[in-house]
Formats: sequence, structure tokens, C-alpha cells
Amino acid sequence: NAGVMQNPRHLVRRRGQEARLRCSPMKGHSHVYWYRQLPEEGLKFMVYLQKENIIDESGMPKERFSAEFPKEGPSILRIQQVVRGDSAAYFCASSPWTIGNSPLHFGNGTRLTVT
Amino acid sequence: QQQVKQSPQSLIVQKGGISIINCAYENTAFDYFPWYQQFPGKGPALLIAIRPDVSEKKEGRFTISFNKSAKQFSLHIMDSQPGDSATYFCAARIHGSSNTGKLIFGQGTTLQVKP
Repeated sequence: NAGVMQNPRHLVRRRGQEARLRCSPMKGHSHVYWYRQLPEEGLKFMVYLQKENIIDESGMPKERFSAEFPKEGPSILRIQQVVRGDSAAYFCASSPWTIGNSPLHFGNGTRLTVT
Repeated sequence: QQQVKQSPQSLIVQKGGISIINCAYENTAFDYFPWYQQFPGKGPALLIAIRPDVSEKKEGRFTISFNKSAKQFSLHIMDSQPGDSATYFCAARIHGSSNTGKLIFGQGTTLQVKP
């Protein structure tokens, strides 16, 4: 019974390159959330997606960041033209439904380093 | 207004002692308060959660105390063990069925339990 799978675990990019982070939710989960954790800080909500729909992107930076959750395949968080300030741990979480006290199940994250 | 303030930032406790982590919030629209535990290199994992209509919830050695009028809640770890050494995050969720996974996290508390 696999949990939330994120890859890669570590990603190094030079300034100006693109970073693609992948997230496969738990089996049976159709809701995906992306969070960012800067060093020594708590997690900050970025975006909430259902299959083929962005529900809430209020935490996404206005430029260079995008997310998708296609009908088939994993959710992708894409960061274009990365800068040093994008270095962080990016966590994906999934849940099976939208109401009630459904817990969030987090993956182990992708640690992005921009050099 | 959508902040959750957590203290202390770090905590050292002797084995067998009680660890206490406090959180405070302003937004009365929060309706669900989970605590997450995170080990190095891992994603956060749900530890225990409470709703504001309950003043206390206990699960094993972990207890949440909730003071609705003071807008404060705390995590107590009884008989702390070295295996409890981790970073703990309190969080809050805004009421609304579409926001189940949109949590506001505190800044985290790094707990070290000395043998």
C-alpha cells in the first residue's frame, strides 16, 4: 500500500534552468496539494489540484511557477528559470475527499538546490 | 490573521519528562487543528488532531489541550522518549469544504529528548 510518492528526492539546478517535480498520490486519492518548506520554517501552502483542475492556487508565486494534475499520470510542479530563492523542500500531499477530517498524507519531499 | 504562531522554536527535555509545545491563532474561522511530526529527510506525518468543540484529546502519550476563548492550543508529550526527537508543527484549517487540505502551519518546534 504505497504512500505518496515524490521524485526526484533531490534535484540540483543552475540558475535559469527549469525544475520539474513529480507527485503520485496515494491509491484512491484524487486531491493533491503542494507545499513548500524553506529552511528553518514551516510549510507554506502553494496549490490544491484535483484531476485536470486547479482548485486553489492562492499560494503560488505569480510568475515562473505552475502546477498540473492530468487525467493520467502524476501531478507536476514546474518552476521555470529557477533562482537561488527557490531552494527549498517541496512536499506533495494527497487526500481522498474534500470534506470532513480527512488527514493529509505527505510524501517525503523533493529537495531542490539552485546553484 | 491567517497565521499560527508556535513556540518554543526548540526544546530539550530529559527522557521521561513532559514536552509542551504551544500554538496561538487569530482567525476564528479555523475549524480543525492537527499536529504533525517530521523526522529529518521525511515528510510530515499526522500525529493527532482536534476540533474546536473539544477541549482535550488524548492518544497514548500525546495530548492536545484546546482553549477556544484564548485561541490557543498545545501539544503535551508525556514520558518523552529519545525516539520522539523530531520537529513538530501545529497547523490550522480554514472552515470550508473546498479547503480541506489547505493548512496554515506554525513555524515548527525542534524537540530533542536526551537519554
